[in-house]
Amino acid sequence: SAVISQKPSRDICQRGTSLTIQCQVDSQVTMMFWYRQQPGQSLTLIATANQGSEATYESGFVIDKFPISRPNLTFSTLTVSNMSPEDSSIYLCSVTGLAGFTDTQYFGPGTRLTVL
Amino acid sequence: SQQGEEDPQALSIQEGENATMNCSYKTSINNLQWYRQNSGRGLVHLILIRSNEREKHSGRLRVTLDTSKKSSSLLITASRAADTASYFCATDAWGYKYIFGTGTRLKVLA
Repeated sequence: SAVISQKPSRDICQRGTSLTIQCQVDSQVTMMFWYRQQPGQSLTLIATANQGSEATYESGFVIDKFPISRPNLTFSTLTVSNMSPEDSSIYLCSVTGLAGFTDTQYFGPGTRLTVL
Repeated sequence: SQQGEEDPQALSIQEGENATMNCSYKTSINNLQWYRQNSGRGLVHLILIRSNEREKHSGRLRVTLDTSKKSSSLLITASRAADTASYFCATDAWGYKYIFGTGTRLKVLA
């Protein structure tokens, strides 16, 4: 497996502001994804982070609200823009395509976001 | 949208008993994965089972897959208090990306 880190681990933000979450993997991976987990709920896929091109968003998620970057094979960022209390969630990055574990999906520790 | 439904939604058992959780999904898959999540923290990968496999084991965990019924089960034998967590299945119904089920909250009483 890989070591996947996320920064920050948690944050409390004011409504109307933006927060950028970083995801760093210690080895190159094929695919990187961003998920949201609202309180008491399961995980919902936000988007696939594509290296060097625009992310692929799932239904209900748009680039203006959740801009994503992936400049290389080990790093991605998710920005939560113009936040409202409804954005309070855990945001998780995940990866697949690790050498020897191509189909297995591994997750970072998550970023717990509270919007006041 | 959720690809999978898990049941039960919540399960409470005594330490030492076995716990069984079920996952049903809607479309054909290549792989199904099971995860554990403790108290809203990161997800721990448990087992990946491929569509051409019917059963896999890992320690006290046993996963079965029935593609004809589009269902999978996770059995935890001789449960411990430390197994208290939420358990999720995830399927790659659309190729490269995984969609999660609704999850089962397991509580193991000491």
